[in-house]
Amino acid sequence: SYVLTQPPSVSVAPGKTARITCGGNNIGSKSVHWYQQKPGQAPVLVIYYDYDRPSGIPERFSGSNSGNTATLTISRVEAGDEADYYCQVWDSSSYVVFGGGTKLTVL
Amino acid sequence: EVQLLESGGGLVQPGGSLRLSCAASGFTFSSYTMSWVRQAPGKGLEWVSSVSGNGGSTYYADSVKGRFTISRDNSKNTLYLQMNSLRAEDTALYYCARGEEIVVVPADVWGQGTTVTVSS
Repeated sequence: SYVLTQPPSVSVAPGKTARITCGGNNIGSKSVHWYQQKPGQAPVLVIYYDYDRPSGIPERFSGSNSGNTATLTISRVEAGDEADYYCQVWDSSSYVVFGGGTKLTVL
Repeated sequence: EVQLLESGGGLVQPGGSLRLSCAASGFTFSSYTMSWVRQAPGKGLEWVSSVSGNGGSTYYADSVKGRFTISRDNSKNTLYLQMNSLRAEDTALYYCARGEEIVVVPADVWGQGTTVTVSS
């Protein structure tokens, strides 16, 4: 089965840049989607197809994907960005796969 | 407004059954793939099952294959998840989510979830 590996936690100071990684075997050949989930709320799609942003998502959110690592980058981090972030791919054998999630803490 | 509203959750004994529903509104339901995703208390997201727009293709996680059945009624704009032989590890908040017209992911619309508790 296909596995996505995320760091359990990332901490960043307000105004700085946060990078959340998602590792998988040759993940660069797949399309990666990212979700933000705040406590008590449903997930929200923040990046799709590696780097596209849904309407309403700030330009501070960006994505990249190459080799064995996909990255969600949040620039000029704000307190309101504090949340859990999940990467996701479609795999022909495992179908829908989520990473374990990363808790972003804004210091 | 595009909306998904789950219902049908509750407390059920191990080995029991439950049927979840997800009522969709604000979009052409039959044009989109739909999925169920669950989240156990304090844990991450776990994909459960997906179905194509016409219901002809279904996909299941290994953890629920043979026990859960996904279906949809496009005339009623409703997605279902029939859950049989429930186990304690099925306890979770169950979300329904809208995919794209052809592919299952990404999921751009999510409901607020319905809670399933499996306990004696």
